[in-house]
Amino acid sequence: QKEVEQNSGPLSVPEGAIASLNCTYSDRGSQSFFWYRQYSGKSPELIMFIYSNGDKEDGRFTAQLNKASQYVSLLIRDSQPSDSATYLCAVLDTGRRALTFGSGTRLQVQP
Amino acid sequence: NAGVTQTPKFQVLKTGQSMTLQCAQDMNHNSMYWYRQDPGMGLRLIYYSASEGTTDKGEVPNGYNVSRLNKREFSLRLESAAPSQTSVYFCASSEALGPRLEELFFGEGSRLTVL
Repeated sequence: QKEVEQNSGPLSVPEGAIASLNCTYSDRGSQSFFWYRQYSGKSPELIMFIYSNGDKEDGRFTAQLNKASQYVSLLIRDSQPSDSATYLCAVLDTGRRALTFGSGTRLQVQP
Repeated sequence: NAGVTQTPKFQVLKTGQSMTLQCAQDMNHNSMYWYRQDPGMGLRLIYYSASEGTTDKGEVPNGYNVSRLNKREFSLRLESAAPSQTSVYFCASSEALGPRLEELFFGEGSRLTVL
């Protein structure tokens, strides 16, 4: 069973701070990694994807990948109350060609 | 452009009843998926269809059947609903070209309650 693990939270940060969300995965052969954001009662939406070791930046978001440690993270700089949501880490299951999702981390940004 | 459309959005069933969740995408995507989401469990893959004419089991297929009717449509059927199938069901589609999976586009979800 290929697994994706996340701390369920809630992770609470003050407005303007950096939020750090973490994810580990069990399949050492995984090549593609995704972060989705899901507001309460809504469907998930893609924030970022990362394929290579290192950092990938997009606006206030930075995804970090360390394949040796089987670790993916998402940093949100200058956190805003509108960033309050559940963040889902997902890993491509190459055997099934479908995404395996973690259970998500709930982020609360306090005004 | 509607994207991924799921029907119905809400449904209440009694144990043992059957129903079909419908999903259609207008993005000409090859791959389609059905996930269920339970509190604290994240999204779990039920079935997927990598291309028209093919379907495969995911992580939690028991109690479900699927049909890839054509490239646009992918339906999920519960033959004899059980309370354990109370969940939010999401249909998704993707282009899925090459060795890497492209972005998943999700429908709005179907909230199913089985009494």
